[in-house]
Amino acid sequence: DVKVTQSSRYLVKRTGEKVFLECVQDMDHENMFWYRQDPGLGLRLIYFSYDVKMKEKGDIPEGYSVSREKKERFSLILESASTNQTSMYLCASSSPRGVPNEKLFFGSGTQLSVL
Amino acid sequence: AQTVTQSQPEMSVQEAETVTLSCTYDTSESNYYLFWYKQPPSRQMILVIRQEAYKQQNATENRFSVNFQKAAKSFSLKISDSQLGDTAMYFCAFENTGNQFYFGTGTSLTVIP
Repeated sequence: DVKVTQSSRYLVKRTGEKVFLECVQDMDHENMFWYRQDPGLGLRLIYFSYDVKMKEKGDIPEGYSVSREKKERFSLILESASTNQTSMYLCASSSPRGVPNEKLFFGSGTQLSVL
Repeated sequence: AQTVTQSQPEMSVQEAETVTLSCTYDTSESNYYLFWYKQPPSRQMILVIRQEAYKQQNATENRFSVNFQKAAKSFSLKISDSQLGDTAMYFCAFENTGNQFYFGTGTSLTVIP
């Protein structure tokens, strides 16, 4: 069964800490994405990557960075966590556009609380 | 950037009845894809249905169907014979030619026994 795995389901961090959220997919997908989900705001794109070592900013990249050293792994980094980054973080991957039945595959999410 | 609008934050439906969730989007592109995703309390996002913009025929998946009106930029989801397991948050999503996916704010659907 195909999978997108996020390393933590729940995470509690202190303000100012550096936080790493890890995501691994086993489908050999080129495209990977990081979203944050907040009530009433839906899913907002933070960063995405089309290939190894490539990254593109989404709609809300401020305060975040990403790393993609290997095709299967896409990490989201909060350089200095702040309380307004308390949120649900969703990782997703997809095959290139045009592949039959192409869609986003999601991980189960990481609920991050910054205290 | 493309925008996706879901104007119904919450909806409810009696079990076995039919409900329609609304979605509109804004884009200047002509070749795109539209999706409905479901997020139950488990938080796992599940694809419900997918529509390719160049296809005029509305997509259907068992009890789920869409009403795709390209000129009006409207993409509503109809759930027939609602079941308790349909209780979830539903997100409408748009994929542009650049392979980027944009989501609406979601509609929380409750199926009442």
